[in-house]
Amino acid sequence: DVKVTQSSRYLVKRTGEKVFLECVQDMDHENMFWYRQDPGLGLRLIYFSYDVKMKEKGDIPEGYSVSREKKERFSLILESASTNQTSMYLCASSIQDLNTEAFFGQGTRLTVV
Amino acid sequence: GQQVMQIPQYQHVQEGEDFTTYCNSSTTLSNIQWYKQRPGGHPVFLIQLVKSGEVKKQKRLTFQFGEAKKNSSLHITATQTTDVGTYFCAGDFNKFYFGSGTKLNVKP
Repeated sequence: DVKVTQSSRYLVKRTGEKVFLECVQDMDHENMFWYRQDPGLGLRLIYFSYDVKMKEKGDIPEGYSVSREKKERFSLILESASTNQTSMYLCASSIQDLNTEAFFGQGTRLTVV
Repeated sequence: GQQVMQIPQYQHVQEGEDFTTYCNSSTTLSNIQWYKQRPGGHPVFLIQLVKSGEVKKQKRLTFQFGEAKKNSSLHITATQTTDVGTYFCAGDFNKFYFGSGTKLNVKP
């Protein structure tokens, strides 16, 4: 069974804090993704990584950065959290061929107060 | 960025009624995928369509890919309460871009 694990299910942080969201997959997948999910807006792609140390911006990268030092781990970093970054964050992974399914983690509900 | 538009945003049906959600892209897709997210859960892959005009069925679910590969639909026949959730389409564009989703509520 493919497993994508996100480090926290719920997180509450203060405005201005640096926040790290961690995602680990155990299937040796090349591709990893970070999305945020907001009501009525669906899943919006923040960043995508197709290999270690490689990253590409998605639709909404502002205010976020990512790190992929090891193949199995993809971190999303909020440099200075703001209230408009309160959201559900979903990590996903897939093999290199994009004609295959993406596997999602359980999500991290982040609240910035 | 690339856009995949999905309608309707919400659909409320009585159990036993049919349901359809539509996905449209402004550019040609190489493939389209469909996912289901149960309340409180994460998206789970349902199916992928690759060929122009392709139709695939999974029990009561019928998936279609348009001839121009710019649109797709998911049709559920005789909905059940287990169908409740949000249905997303995703086009590849070399990354996975998801539609806004259709939230389905089924009244028993």
